Amino acid sequence: DIQMTQSPSSLSASVGDRVTITCRASQSISNWLAWFQQKAGKVPKLLIDKASSLQSGVPSRFSGSRSGTEFTLTISSLQPDDFATYYCQQYNSYPWTFGQGTKVEIK
Amino acid sequence: EVQLVESGGGLVQPGRSLRLSCVASGFTFGDCSMHWVRQAPGKGLEWVSGITWNSGTIGYAGSVKGRFIVSRDNAKNSLYLQMNSLRPEDTAFYYCTKDRGRENEGIDHWGQGTLVTVSS
Repeated sequence: DIQMTQSPSSLSASVGDRVTITCRASQSISNWLAWFQQKAGKVPKLLIDKASSLQSGVPSRFSGSRSGTEFTLTISSLQPDDFATYYCQQYNSYPWTFGQGTKVEIK
Repeated sequence: EVQLVESGGGLVQPGRSLRLSCVASGFTFGDCSMHWVRQAPGKGLEWVSGITWNSGTIGYAGSVKGRFIVSRDNAKNSLYLQMNSLRPEDTAFYYCTKDRGRENEGIDHWGQGTLVTVSS
């Protein structure tokens, strides 16, 4: 099975900060990686798929990138609406796997 | 508008069975792979099972393989998860999720979830 190691598990940041979350796959998954945002008590929402493809309606301050088996979600300027938990997920091969999640909290 | 409505959750004793259902609308169900994802209260997301548009490819997480069975009925726009030999660690919200394509192209929509509680 492909393991997804996501870091950090949590972070505290201020509005306006640049935030970076990393996910490392245990083997090659090409670009088959998605990022989801989950707010407390809500269903996850797809932000980015194919490593860097921003979904319609998602603010442009969100971006995704890939370097080998390392993937990054960047929020260029953190907004109050962005405080949530973020998950990466590989869909290269079954069984699909998620990262452990990163909780972004207000500093 | 895509809608995914799960049902069938509830309280069940360890070792018993439960069947979850998901009725889909707002898209061509038969053209999409579908998946079940679960989340234990206060925990992270875990992909449980997936099934391609024609049931040609089916996959399971190791934690449920041999106990859970996924199926679909395209004529009824419905996805199912038969859960057998349930364990306390299966307690979670179970989400029905839609794939963007026929052959496992990634999740793009989620249902609201149904809670399964395994306890004596």
